[in-house]
Amino acid sequence: TQLLEQSPQFLSIQEGENLTVYCNSSSVFSSLQWYRQEPGEGPVLLVTVVTGGEVKKLKRLTFQFGDARKDSSLHITAAQPGDTGLYLCAGGDVAGNMLTFGGGTRLMVKP
Amino acid sequence: ETGVTQTPRHLVMGMTNKKSLKCEQHLGHNAMYWYKQSAKKPLELMFVYNFKEQTENNSVPSRFSPECPNSSHLFLHLHTLQPEDSALYLCASSQGSWDYQETQYFGPGTRLLVL
Repeated sequence: TQLLEQSPQFLSIQEGENLTVYCNSSSVFSSLQWYRQEPGEGPVLLVTVVTGGEVKKLKRLTFQFGDARKDSSLHITAAQPGDTGLYLCAGGDVAGNMLTFGGGTRLMVKP
Repeated sequence: ETGVTQTPRHLVMGMTNKKSLKCEQHLGHNAMYWYKQSAKKPLELMFVYNFKEQTENNSVPSRFSPECPNSSHLFLHLHTLQPEDSALYLCASSQGSWDYQETQYFGPGTRLLVL
């Protein structure tokens, strides 16, 4: 069974601070996706990384896939209240398109 | 707008009731999924349909019965549920090409409370 551990589980910071969320596993994934979920909504895809060591940037968000494709990180620069939400990582199965989700990091950014 | 709708958005039911959750996707996708999201566990995949055929049943109890009449609609029939089945039930769809980079698009979910 593939498992993804996310840390921290909860994070409360002030507007303007930087933060990093981690997603770790002992298993290798073919891809790693990051989603954000807001209250009352389903998860929305932010990014997909597929190559070991890959770095992708989405405005103030930087995503990195580990060299061994077992871990990933999400770094947010100068967080804003609009970044508040549940951040989920999900690993793609090499055999198909099944996703294994991490437990999520609940982020609150205070103005 | 995700193009995936779910009804009802909220549902309260007793353990002896029978109810159904509905999902509809307007994206022209061929694969549809049911997930369970509860407070203390990661998002759990329940069922997968590809081209109307069930391709995955993740050891889900028989009190949950999925139905996929066509590629655009997915149902989850519920009967004799337990209080621990209370959760957010999410539907998702994807192209169905089984590409590991394939994006899944989620609906807003049905918040279910079993009394």
